[in-house]
Amino acid sequence: GAVVSQHPSRVICKSGTSVKIECRSLDFQATTMFWYRQFPKQSLMLMATSNEGSKATYEQGVEKDKFLINHASLTLSTLTVTSAHPEDSSFYICSAQEGPQYEQYFGPGTRLTVT
Amino acid sequence: KQEVTQIPAALSVPEGENLVLNCSFTDSAIYNLQWFRQDPGKGLTSLLLIQSSQREQTSGRLNASLDKSSGRSTLYIAASQPGDSATYLCAVRREYSGYALNFGKGTSLLVTP
Repeated sequence: GAVVSQHPSRVICKSGTSVKIECRSLDFQATTMFWYRQFPKQSLMLMATSNEGSKATYEQGVEKDKFLINHASLTLSTLTVTSAHPEDSSFYICSAQEGPQYEQYFGPGTRLTVT
Repeated sequence: KQEVTQIPAALSVPEGENLVLNCSFTDSAIYNLQWFRQDPGKGLTSLLLIQSSQREQTSGRLNASLDKSSGRSTLYIAASQPGDSATYLCAVRREYSGYALNFGKGTSLLVTP
């Protein structure tokens, strides 16, 4: 299957700082990328849908000014958590697909810890 | 709003047993359904994908069925092994809004030697 990478795999930051997470499709062009977050022992919750070259669509309850998503190329999307707080600590996973009806491929996830 | 429910939440079985994991969803307007495996602290591994027009898919010891009209899917694992211990997630793909996935909370499986 296709490969999606995420960087970093783990990050620890201090409260009030911002952190950027990258999601890359390595061997295909992703017109759409998705960002999910997962709390301990909980399922994945969709945060936003990102289409290349356009603004991301955020799910209800997700603060778009806090979770900045950029999808500037067909192989890269970034999620920036701005002014992070301890409650933002979570496991963030991205996925990518070539088109609306293509299979989604998931990255390995990024563990964010805000101290 | 699509809601995906997985039963049981946790399951412990001795090695060699056959087992069934259940998934139900409230909105039958799905594009496909997918079963994933997640090991602790890790990402997702896709196990089986069933298109909405299909009834089942098989891969090795795994068999997944889909009854779209009743909003149900099952994942059957034959001859379970300790290496099967993980959390199994069911996800349905929407027919709209970019075809994002809605996940259940998962079934945590422990297979004891």
